[in-house]
Amino acid sequence: NAGVMQNPRHLVRRRGQEARLRCSPMKGHSHVYWYRQLPEEGLKFMVYLQKENIIDESGMPKERFSAEFPKEGPSILRIQQVVRGDSAAYFCASSSTTGATPYEQYFGPGTRLTVT
Amino acid sequence: GQNIDQPTEMTATEGAIVQINCTYQTSGFNGLFWYQQHAGEAPTFLSYNVLDGLEEKGRFSSFLSRSKGYSYLLLKELQMKDSASYLCARGGDSSYKLIFGSGTRLLVRP
Repeated sequence: NAGVMQNPRHLVRRRGQEARLRCSPMKGHSHVYWYRQLPEEGLKFMVYLQKENIIDESGMPKERFSAEFPKEGPSILRIQQVVRGDSAAYFCASSSTTGATPYEQYFGPGTRLTVT
Repeated sequence: GQNIDQPTEMTATEGAIVQINCTYQTSGFNGLFWYQQHAGEAPTFLSYNVLDGLEEKGRFSSFLSRSKGYSYLLLKELQMKDSASYLCARGGDSSYKLIFGSGTRLLVRP
């Protein structure tokens, strides 16, 4: 059973370009979460999605950031017009509501975004 | 508030026991999680406490006191591979929304 998959693992973008980060949840999981981790800091919640629905986006910056989880295919975190402050590790996690631990989240390996 | 406090760094000796403490603001509490994160890798789930007391799982145990807003992770018989960051996280107003501390970097020395 493959774990949470994220790609690319490393992404370099120039200021002003767009970054697209992809996440495929674990098999059987229908809940996806995105977190951002700045250097030397903890993970910060960004958004929680179920298939075709954004449940909670309270941690998303108001501009330039968007997320989706379509009926088919991976979840996408999209950052438009990237700036240097967007450089961070972006982790995706998934969960099932049927796990022994409520909302036990399994993390992917992360995408390390570097903005030059 | 949702502050979570844990020590930044700890050092311990192989074979010893180490306790990593975590304090959190108790309002809107919905469970306490511990994750392990090796450098450059994904956090991996270690434990979940929602009731007071000690949960033991092999070499790792986790304790919770809800009234004190306090948890600790206890690692026994330390091994070199236990060198990692240990992240304390609480479930927020909804348990899915994990609120993480900055993590404790543990260095295990021979």
